[in-house]
Amino acid sequence: GENVEQHPSTLSVQEGDSAVIKCTYSDSASNYFPWYKQELGKRPQLIIDIRSNVGEKKDQRIAVTLNKTAKHFSLHITETQPEDSAVYFCAAYPGGYQKVTFGTGTKLQVIP
Amino acid sequence: DAGVIQSPRHEVTEMGQEVTLRCKPISGHNSLFWYRQTMMRGLELLIYFNNNVPIDDSGMPEDRFSAKMPNASFSTLKIQPSEPRDSAVYFCASRPDRGVVDTIYFGEGSWLTVV
Repeated sequence: GENVEQHPSTLSVQEGDSAVIKCTYSDSASNYFPWYKQELGKRPQLIIDIRSNVGEKKDQRIAVTLNKTAKHFSLHITETQPEDSAVYFCAAYPGGYQKVTFGTGTKLQVIP
Repeated sequence: DAGVIQSPRHEVTEMGQEVTLRCKPISGHNSLFWYRQTMMRGLELLIYFNNNVPIDDSGMPEDRFSAKMPNASFSTLKIQPSEPRDSAVYFCASRPDRGVVDTIYFGEGSWLTVV
């Protein structure tokens, strides 16, 4: 089955700096890679996703890159703000009626 | 749509008692997932259903756990008997599984404490 590894497990950055979270996956059939943000006491919510036919996708301060050959994808947050502090999960999914495999999460702390 | 609805939101129960968690997926979604989240183990997939049929229950920790989906709009996760190590947040999630929409939508979670 799919195995998703996520690094780092914790990340502290100064407000205004960039943050990068990296994930690798094992199943070459995976073709959909969502990222979820989970604030303390809340549910995980989708913030951005990318499909295997795209190398990069941006949404304001958030971007995701995908390297299918190397089987890794990354989340980039620029100009970080205190409200970006949360746990971020990556995931991989081969489509169809398959399950989604999540990474172990990265706790991001943005220091004002 | 109101989103994925879970109940109860919080439950405190004594060890040995039966616990039933309930979930109503988003209308029209074909897949339903039960996840457990703890600090130590992160987000674990317990079981998922497609069109009300269990597809993969390999994540169900032991026979004390059972899940059902009697119809497209309702699912339960039951723990009997409950143990303190079952304390966690249990999330239900649903997914459309139609065409290119692959996003999983999570409910607010059921916070379970077994004392």
